[in-house]
Amino acid sequence: KAGVTQTPRYLIKTRGQQVTLSCSPISGHRSVSWYQQTPGQGLQFLFEYFSETQRNKGNFPGRFSGRQFSNSRSEMNVSTLELGDSALYLCASSSSTAAKNIQYFGAGTRLSVL
Amino acid sequence: AQSVSQHNHHVILSEAASLELGCNYSYGGTVNLFWYVQYPGQHLQLLLKYFSGDPLVKGIKGFEAEFIKSKFSFNLRKPSVQWSDTAEYFCAVAIGGGGADGLTFGKGTHLIIQP
Repeated sequence: KAGVTQTPRYLIKTRGQQVTLSCSPISGHRSVSWYQQTPGQGLQFLFEYFSETQRNKGNFPGRFSGRQFSNSRSEMNVSTLELGDSALYLCASSSSTAAKNIQYFGAGTRLSVL
Repeated sequence: AQSVSQHNHHVILSEAASLELGCNYSYGGTVNLFWYVQYPGQHLQLLLKYFSGDPLVKGIKGFEAEFIKSKFSFNLRKPSVQWSDTAEYFCAVAIGGGGADGLTFGKGTHLIIQP
């Protein structure tokens, strides 16, 4: 069974631009969660999607948004990029809600904002 | 909002030493608890979890953790570490039931095992 796939693996953007990251969950998994990982703040929860609906949202500004498609694939968008958005963005999938199930993580997308 | 605290950010041990990594959380109600591990160059993966029942849970590679509700703690232990245990360890908490706030992770403990 293929694991969680995130694309692209690396991105370099400049301030003010926007970016879209993609995540393909494990086949059959309906929940996709997104996290931001930085050396200073660690792993911070962005949002969780389940059956195309945003189920939970972390404490991030509205510039961070996401969506989930009918095939459970998910995208995350960050608009008006800031230097502080440089981070590793991780996607995780689970068979049902993330709080009650094991999450399987992808390798991440490393975003650098210049 | 709930918070998760991991007491040690960096731990260095010799092989065969015993390990205990602390994890405390702030929520007073029912919780689901997890330890995840990230080996160098690999994805985050689950080490063990606690949802209910026996508060002493066993995970992969000889790790175990004990849930002590009165102390709001879920400490990770291993009686004898190996060089291959070098990794970053994350404690995570979800509010039981609906998990309305998603998963909250601690900031991680970087464990280095010296041969």
